[in-house]
Amino acid sequence: KAGVTQTPRYLIKTRGQQVTLSCSPISGHRSVSWYQQTPGQGLQFLFEYFSETQRNKGNFPGRFSGRQFSNSRSEMNVSTLELGDSALYLCASSLGRVQETQYFGPGTRLLVL
Amino acid sequence: SQQGEEDPQALSIQEGENATMNCSYKTSINNLQWYRQNSGRGLVHLILIRSNEREKHSGRLRVTLDTSKKSSSLLITASRAADTASYFCATDDVGAQKLVFGQGTRLTINP
Repeated sequence: KAGVTQTPRYLIKTRGQQVTLSCSPISGHRSVSWYQQTPGQGLQFLFEYFSETQRNKGNFPGRFSGRQFSNSRSEMNVSTLELGDSALYLCASSLGRVQETQYFGPGTRLLVL
Repeated sequence: SQQGEEDPQALSIQEGENATMNCSYKTSINNLQWYRQNSGRGLVHLILIRSNEREKHSGRLRVTLDTSKKSSSLLITASRAADTASYFCATDDVGAQKLVFGQGTRLTINP
């Protein structure tokens, strides 16, 4: 099976802009989680989707949002970008329960100038 | 906030030696998992140990879990240069629908 794919792999934006990142899970996986990784804060949970419904959300401002489509593909959006949003954004998929093995994509590295 | 805390933050050893990393956590958990991340890339799942298990092996990896001390250790035997990476433990709060990762241990294997 193909692994988790994320697009784009690299992105440069300026403050105030918005960005949309995409994640395609492993075929058959219905749960998609998003994480933000920075040197200072480490890996932080953003949100998790299952069957197009957000099941859980981390402690991030409302500028961070996401959605999941009927084919389990997911997108996350960050509006009004801030310098501190520069990070590696990782998505992970699993069969159904987020507590089980997560399969991660290669990540999208976002740089906000 | 981080649930798991790895110790040490960084570890440098010679190829062929064993590497041990520790993880402590705060709440009751269902499972504890270990992941590896090569520089700037996605995480790769290594092993999952359930709360009712005490030890698990996978190839050169050995994981122990002590729920009374809320701690786990990852042992990599006969290390290789390719083991150079950051290693993270991840726990799930009972009843929560998310994994919480520690800050990681950066392991360097010197040839």
